[in-house]
Amino acid sequence: DAGITQSPRHKVTETGTPVTLRCHQTENHRYMYWYRQDPGHGLRLIHYSYGVKDTDKGEVSDGYSVSRSKTEDFLLTLESATSSQTSVYFCAILSSGNTIYFGEGSWLTVV
Amino acid sequence: SQQGEEDPQALSIQEGENATMNCSYKTSINNLQWYRQNSGRGLVHLILIRSNEREKHSGRLRVTLDTSKKSSSLLITASRAADTASYFCATDEWTSGTYKYIFGTGTRLKVLA
Repeated sequence: DAGITQSPRHKVTETGTPVTLRCHQTENHRYMYWYRQDPGHGLRLIHYSYGVKDTDKGEVSDGYSVSRSKTEDFLLTLESATSSQTSVYFCAILSSGNTIYFGEGSWLTVV
Repeated sequence: SQQGEEDPQALSIQEGENATMNCSYKTSINNLQWYRQNSGRGLVHLILIRSNEREKHSGRLRVTLDTSKKSSSLLITASRAADTASYFCATDEWTSGTYKYIFGTGTRLKVLA
């Protein structure tokens, strides 16, 4: 399972509040990704990181920011949560064999 | 727009039949991967095929890649009820010296016992 842990796994928050999702990996992989999954849209890339302090935007980055201060942690922050950000969020890593491994997901509901 | 687009969006077959799903993509790739997702779970890697490969097998899975048509297919033979899941293709995109992986919208497969 590539040692990926997401937290929290489930969260309900109010509109306008900040939310941070954490992705932790134990195997020192360079690349980490945050995706969101919504019905009819598949998985869409939010942000990704290719090293400590090296991040870039994906296709749906508006309203999200990320940080990677150490190799093992990749944080996704919703600065001011909106109902449109209700979704399932998946963290993933890229292995040395170019295979992507996913965490179990974080279910976020913004009310 | 999505790099990978699967079709059909949904597929319903009887146990024992074969299931074929297709993926089309837009730009050149180094590899293409297929994933399975059971309801409420994360995605699980099934198989990777490199751009210089045309066909690959893994158990009951057979993947083909046609880079001239920018398309791939996933065949599941002798399907079982446990194969019921969503299947996604993912393609790599090398941009500004970094790798992004783009997923399609998936095919929902239902295998009826």
